Amino acid sequence: EIQMTQSPTSLSASVGDRVTITCRASHSISTDLHWYQQKPGKAPKLLIYDASNLQSGVPSRFSASGSETEFTLTISSLQPDDFGTYFCQQSYSSLWTFGQGTKVEIK
Amino acid sequence: EVQLVESGGGLVPPGGSLRLSCEASGFTFSTFEMNWVRQSPGKGLQWIAYISSGAINIFYADSVKGRFTISRDNDRGSLFLEMNSLRAEDTAVYYCVRAPTVMSPQIFWGQGTPVAVSS
Repeated sequence: EIQMTQSPTSLSASVGDRVTITCRASHSISTDLHWYQQKPGKAPKLLIYDASNLQSGVPSRFSASGSETEFTLTISSLQPDDFGTYFCQQSYSSLWTFGQGTKVEIK
Repeated sequence: EVQLVESGGGLVPPGGSLRLSCEASGFTFSTFEMNWVRQSPGKGLQWIAYISSGAINIFYADSVKGRFTISRDNDRGSLFLEMNSLRAEDTAVYYCVRAPTVMSPQIFWGQGTPVAVSS
């Protein structure tokens, strides 16, 4: 099983701050890495697919990069609506695995 | 428009059974691999089952192996999860999730159906 380690587990930042979340894979997953935002009571919302591709309709303040085992999600200027929990997910293996999640709070 | 609509969740006692369904529309269901992913209250996301487009390959997470069965009906555009010998730790929201392909690289999720295992 490919383990996904996400950090930090939580963060609190101010509107306008630059926020970075990291995801590490225990094995190389090429660019088969996806980022989601989830709000309470809702299904995960796809933000980024294939490591760096912005999903249609997602604000351009979200960006991501990485390959193999190291990946990052960046919010260039945090907005009030960006609160929630962010997850990474690998689809390199048919046995998908997810990061533990990063809870983002707005100060 | 791609849509995945889960149904069949509910309250069931420990040891009981439940069958979840996922109705797919807006895409050629028979050409996509499908998955079930669950999320326990206040917890992270856990993949639990995979089925290939033609149902030839099927995989399960160890936590549900031998108790859950994934299946599909490509003619009806439907995905199923038969859950037996349910335990309290199976309490979760269950999501039907479409796997990516080269031509459709975005992973698509349904809205989920809640399952509560309690006496």
